[in-house]
Order: sequence, then structure tokens, then C-alpha cells
Amino acid sequence: NAGVTQTPKFRVLKTGQSMTLLCAQDMNHEYMYWYRQDPGMGLRLIHYSVGEGTTAKGEVPDGYNVSRLKKQNFLLGLESAAPSQTSVYFCASRDGRLTYEQYFGPGTRLTVT
Amino acid sequence: SQKIEQNSEALNIQEGKTATLTCNYTNYSPAYLQWYRQDPGRGPVFLLLIRENEKEKRKERLKVTFDTTLKQSLFHITASQPADSATYLCAPLSGTYKYIFGTGTRLKVLA
Repeated sequence: NAGVTQTPKFRVLKTGQSMTLLCAQDMNHEYMYWYRQDPGMGLRLIHYSVGEGTTAKGEVPDGYNVSRLKKQNFLLGLESAAPSQTSVYFCASRDGRLTYEQYFGPGTRLTVT
Repeated sequence: SQKIEQNSEALNIQEGKTATLTCNYTNYSPAYLQWYRQDPGRGPVFLLLIRENEKEKRKERLKVTFDTTLKQSLFHITASQPADSATYLCAPLSGTYKYIFGTGTRLKVLA
């Protein structure tokens, strides 16, 4: 059981470039989440999904898009990266039935120059 | 708007003492509240969940209280050890699916 994995672990982008962050979970969880974590700001929810083919906006969705084509994968896209998107991105999953515990991935450190 | 407040200042305590961390929330009434531990460079790890109808929850050396009148949760680590040094995040559930995380309190246990 790998749990929640994130790809890549680190990335440097130039302003205006695009990229996709991949989150994969092998626990058959229904719910998946993307957060960003900035110093002094805590974890902020970007988008989330409560099942395959569904997505919803979180607290800070602007500049990001997501897709959940397969239950085990949740992709976060940046179409035109901006320096304000420099952050550490965490993916999390949750069973969604009887439990509320979230399992987090190791994070992706993104720098936009 | 919904707001979570945790003491942003680091908490330093001596090994063996009890550490107490505070989480205050405003503008909503969560049915569940969770606490997570986060080590530097890693993702948060779930520790405990407490429901609104539970006053207290324990797990080994950890204890969480939930006061819905004061809108506050307290997180206690008894007999603290240097290995308990980490940042602890409070996360009340907002609605059915979403959590709002506090900024966390950094705990340092001194040997």
C-alpha cells in the first residue's frame, strides 16, 4: 500500500508556463482534495472531488483546474503559472463513507519565477 | 467567514510536561473536529477526531476536548517527549466534505 503519492516532488516553472500535478491513491477512497500551504496561511483548499467524474471549488480555486477521470487519480493543472502560485501543494484522500480522516501525500514544492 | 485560530507562536516545553494547544473557531458550528501532526517537509498525519457530542477523546498520551459553547478545542500531550516536536494543526469539518485548517502551532519539546 503506497497510500497517497504525488508527482513531481519539486518543480520550477517560469511565469506563463503550464503544468499538471498528479495525485494517486491506492486505498479506493471516494473523496480527494488539493490544498496549498503557504507560510502563515495554513492549508487552503483549492479543489476537491467527491467521486469519479465530479469536482468542486474550494477556498482558492482561481488559476487552477482539476480532473478526476479515474477514481484513484486527481490531477491539478496550472494553465498559466504566476509567481503567486509558488507554494507547497498537498493532495489528500478520504474514504468518504464512515470515516473523516484524511490521508495526505508528501507534497509538491512548486516555484514560479 | 469561517475562521480558525491557533496560537502562531511556538510552544516550548520541557520533556515530561504536558503540552496544551488551543484551537478557536468562529462563525460556524462544526460537527467534527480533527487534529493533525505535521513534520517539516512532510504532509499532515491524522491524530484524533472528536464529535460535537463528545466532550473529550483520548488516544494513548493524547487528549482532545471540544467545547461547543466556547467554540474551542484543546489538544493535550501528556508526558511529552522530544519526538513529539512538530506542528499541530486543528481542522474542524465544514459541512460534509470540507475541512478548514488552522495555521498550526509549532511545539518543541526540550530534553
